[in-house]
Amino acid sequence: SQQGEEDPQALSIQEGENATMNCSYKTSINNLQWYRQNSGRGLVHLILIRSNEREKHSGRLRVTLDTSKKSSSLLITASRAADTASYFCATHDRDDKIIFGKGTRLHILP
Amino acid sequence: DAGITQSPRHKVTETGTPVTLRCHQTENHRYMYWYRQDPGHGLRLIHYSYGVKDTDKGEVSDGYSVSRSKTEDFLLTLESATSSQTSVYFCAIGAGRLLGNTIYFGEGSWLTVV
Repeated sequence: SQQGEEDPQALSIQEGENATMNCSYKTSINNLQWYRQNSGRGLVHLILIRSNEREKHSGRLRVTLDTSKKSSSLLITASRAADTASYFCATHDRDDKIIFGKGTRLHILP
Repeated sequence: DAGITQSPRHKVTETGTPVTLRCHQTENHRYMYWYRQDPGHGLRLIHYSYGVKDTDKGEVSDGYSVSRSKTEDFLLTLESATSSQTSVYFCAIGAGRLLGNTIYFGEGSWLTVV
């Protein structure tokens, strides 16, 4: 089944640095979403980018989408301890079922 | 926070026993989903519903059944629990089927099958 695959699987950076994680998918999509999951909690929606958009911003988040490469990236600027979490991209398959990748575990070091 | 309640939040059960997890929403959303989350596998879709009494299988539906008799409730049943079904189960809701609409997650149900 189609699935977004995040890269890297894990990332540790110093507080204040920028964090970048990537998502690749297999087939054409209408849009792509990014979610965050804090330890022991449910996923929380961060941002949605449509297939006709190349870049989108929300606060310290910047998402890009390259449909020719079937990839997306999530940039978190000026990271904070509270950004420590797992981040997932979500796409959809041909039947419009929503599919998640395995996630990137982000750890912000003090 | 979206009005989604999962119950029970934690359960330990024995192999071979039936288990039902409940998802209740107060948002009147049409779509409801059950995912399981396991280390190394991320979130995998078990079943979803696109309306009352309308359900369909996800990628890991074997051993699970669902029912939706009311808009607000989506039940996930393990007919005969196995240790491989030890997992965290998340319910999610959405207003639309396409990803143009955000889906909202419950807080999860931790199930241990011993």
